[in-house]
Amino acid sequence: AQTVTQSQPEMSVQEAETVTLSCTYDTSESDYYLFWYKQPPSRQMILVIRQEAYKQQNATENRFSVNFQKAAKSFSLKISDSQLGDAAMYFCAYNSVNRDDKIIFGKGTRLHILP
Amino acid sequence: DTGVSQDPRHKITKRGQNVTFRCDPISEHNRLYWYRQTLGQGPEFLTYFQNEAQLEKSRLLSDRFSAERPKGSFSTLEIQRTEQGDSAMYLCASSSYRSQETQYFGPGTRLLVL
Repeated sequence: AQTVTQSQPEMSVQEAETVTLSCTYDTSESDYYLFWYKQPPSRQMILVIRQEAYKQQNATENRFSVNFQKAAKSFSLKISDSQLGDAAMYFCAYNSVNRDDKIIFGKGTRLHILP
Repeated sequence: DTGVSQDPRHKITKRGQNVTFRCDPISEHNRLYWYRQTLGQGPEFLTYFQNEAQLEKSRLLSDRFSAERPKGSFSTLEIQRTEQGDSAMYLCASSSYRSQETQYFGPGTRLLVL
């Protein structure tokens, strides 16, 4: 069974600085999708970024980028120029290509932005 | 294009009562998913529909839980004889046939069972 592990329950970063959130996963499949979702306090879960495993190029969305290391089964999220609005719980998530029926989430990393 | 909506946003009930939640997916999204999220955890899959057909149910979905998606549009999740352990956030998500693997989430329904 696939698993997703986020080893950092909480992190803090100074406003305007860069922070990296870690994620590892376990799967025997060769093709899959990885995601980072953001869940602000008492607000809706929002898709931040998506990576297809067959693509070697790391995905980028404005200030958000990933470091996808397929062999190491690692998928970290880098947030550049951190803003107060980035404060949230961040979930790393996995979805199979062959069984695209459910997303498997990590336990999340709570990110604090220090003014 | 409106996002996924859920109703109610909050529900407080007494143990043993039945509750029903509604989810309206993004229009034209053919897949609809239900997840449960407890405090400090990531969401856990409960069940999903493709159009009106319920294709998979998690072992988390006990006999007290039932979900429907009549006509392949909105969905309802009913919990019968609620227990305190059912207290959680219930999230709904939907995805398009063009990009099935990417799910968009609603705001959730927070259930508290007293």
